[in-house]
Order: sequence, then structure tokens, then C-alpha cells
Amino acid sequence: GIQVEQSPPDLILQEGANSTLRCNFSDSVNNLQWFHQNPWGQLINLFYIPSGTKQNGRLSATTVATERYSLLYISSSQTTDSGVYFCAADNAGNMLTFGGGTRLMVKP
Amino acid sequence: DGGITQSPKYLFRKEGQNVTLSCEQNLNHDAMYWYRQDPGQGLRLIYYSQIVNDFQKGDIAEGYSVSREKKESFPLTVTSAQKNPTAFYLCASSIPGRAVNADTQYFGPGTRLTVL
Repeated sequence: GIQVEQSPPDLILQEGANSTLRCNFSDSVNNLQWFHQNPWGQLINLFYIPSGTKQNGRLSATTVATERYSLLYISSSQTTDSGVYFCAADNAGNMLTFGGGTRLMVKP
Repeated sequence: DGGITQSPKYLFRKEGQNVTLSCEQNLNHDAMYWYRQDPGQGLRLIYYSQIVNDFQKGDIAEGYSVSREKKESFPLTVTSAQKNPTAFYLCASSIPGRAVNADTQYFGPGTRLTVL
């Protein structure tokens, strides 16, 4: 099956800083999603982005499918951005494979 | 409000007992999923169902069973055959196909199962 790797595994930021999270995947994909898991365990879908670029407020994501990577940009980070960010990909239909996550801590 | 509910939030069981985790959605989604998350790890797919009365094994189905008798419900049973059942269990749903937001998965709040 498809392999998904995320980097960095851990990230500490000062409030207001910008950051880029990376997701590499081993095969072509028909589904790629970014999620945020808050400290209570709830996963929130941030982007459905198998290709191209999307923006939602301070967050944006870009997937370069031909080079098998996706980037999540967080600008002007806030303490509420803390948590774990997961990338998940699928190339066979309805079976998302998750990466190991990037654990983000934003300090006030 | 539309959403996915999981119950209970915390569950404690003795080793060797079967336990059933509930997942209900009122989003009218056809597809439903169960994932397991261990501490510090990503999610792994246990089972998924794309339509009522049909379900497929995921990557780690051994020791688990599911049913899909109704569109809105997808309960997961953790059997005594599951060697390390203590984990965080997450249920999700989606609209498969070509609809707007198709294949975007929406998650419930999760159930933390501890086997003593």
C-alpha cells in the first residue's frame, strides 16, 4: 500500500510565527487530506487537496501530485493551532493511510 | 445539528471481555470507517463500510468485528481475540463518489478504551 511520511515530527513555535509542514507519499493519489487533532483527540478536516492549492484563513495547502508531496502552511500561528497535524492519502478508493503526524506547540 | 457521535467517551473493561463501541451519524453519509490510534501514532484503519449491509476489512481487522444494519450506525466490537485492545478509537463518515466534498472524512470525538 501507499506510504505516507510527515516532517518534522515535532515543531515548537512562538505565537505569530509562520511554519510549513510537509507530507511525502510513495505513489500517485486520488485523495489527500490534512487534519488537525486537538489536545482532546478530536480530528478536524482542514483540506481535501489531491492536487493544487487551497487557502482557508491563515492556513493554506499545496499538493504537487507529480512530485508526490503536499505542504501545509500556517501563518501568524496562535496558541489554538497547537495539536497534531496529520496528512492522509489514498490511491485505491476509500482507504486513507495516515502519516505519523507533526506535533505542533505554539507558545504565547 | 448534523454530526457524528461516539459513545461512551471512556470505557474500561476487564481482559477477556468483548466490548461494543457505538458510532452514529446523521449526515446522510453512505460510507463509514473505524480507526485505531495508539499514543503518539497516526490512525490505522480497522474496518470500513461503503453501503448498508456491506463492509470491508482495513489494515488491522483481526480481533474486531462490525455490522452495518442501518445507514446511520456502524458499531465496532472489540473481541477477546484482540491482543492489545487499549487504544483510542475513532469513527468517521464520508460521501463517496463525485459529489461536492466527496471522500472528505468527518470524524467523531472518539472513545478511549482501557482494558484492565
